[in-house]
Amino acid sequence: DAGVTQSPTHLIKTRGQQVTLRCSPKSGHDTVSWYQQALGQGPQFIFQYYEEEERQRGNFPDRFSGHQFPNYSSELNVNALLLGDSALYLCASSLGLGTNEKLFFGSGTQLSVL
Amino acid sequence: GENVEQHPSTLSVQEGDSAVIKCTYSDSASNYFPWYKQELGKGPQLIIDIRSNVGEKKDQRIAVTLNKTAKHFSLHITETQPEDSAVYFCAASIEYKLSFGAGTTVTVRA
Repeated sequence: DAGVTQSPTHLIKTRGQQVTLRCSPKSGHDTVSWYQQALGQGPQFIFQYYEEEERQRGNFPDRFSGHQFPNYSSELNVNALLLGDSALYLCASSLGLGTNEKLFFGSGTQLSVL
Repeated sequence: GENVEQHPSTLSVQEGDSAVIKCTYSDSASNYFPWYKQELGKGPQLIIDIRSNVGEKKDQRIAVTLNKTAKHFSLHITETQPEDSAVYFCAASIEYKLSFGAGTTVTVRA
């Protein structure tokens, strides 16, 4: 049983560019949440998707957007990249609307913005 | 929003000794408190969680205690082993959002 898978594992972009990160949830899970983890910090909640809609959002600007597909996989898009967007981006999956219990995390995508 | 503070930021213990990590939260409406372990190059992994209607929970060498009145909760690891070395995060949940502490780097010395 595959857990949460994320791609790519590493990414280097320059300021002003756009990036798309991908996530496949654990088998049987229908809810996907995205977190940003800066170096030496805990993860910060970006948003959560359920039934292909954004259900909850943290304190992140509109440059951060997402999508969930019918197979429950998800994408995180970041436009107009800033140096401060450099971080580990984590995808977490769970079962059920709005739940943040028993989250399963992927290994993340390390984004570097130069 | 919810603010979670975690102490200490680093902890070094001798193998076989106990480790304790403490967290405080700000919003009394928080009702779910998980602990995650993150190893180098991996995502956080849930190790134990507790709901606000429970004061203590234990799973083998790991235990968590919750004091709702004081708004703090703690992780206790007994008989530490080298594989317990990792970064540990506490978190508190309000509505559908998890707010994480800044993490504690635990090193178990052989």
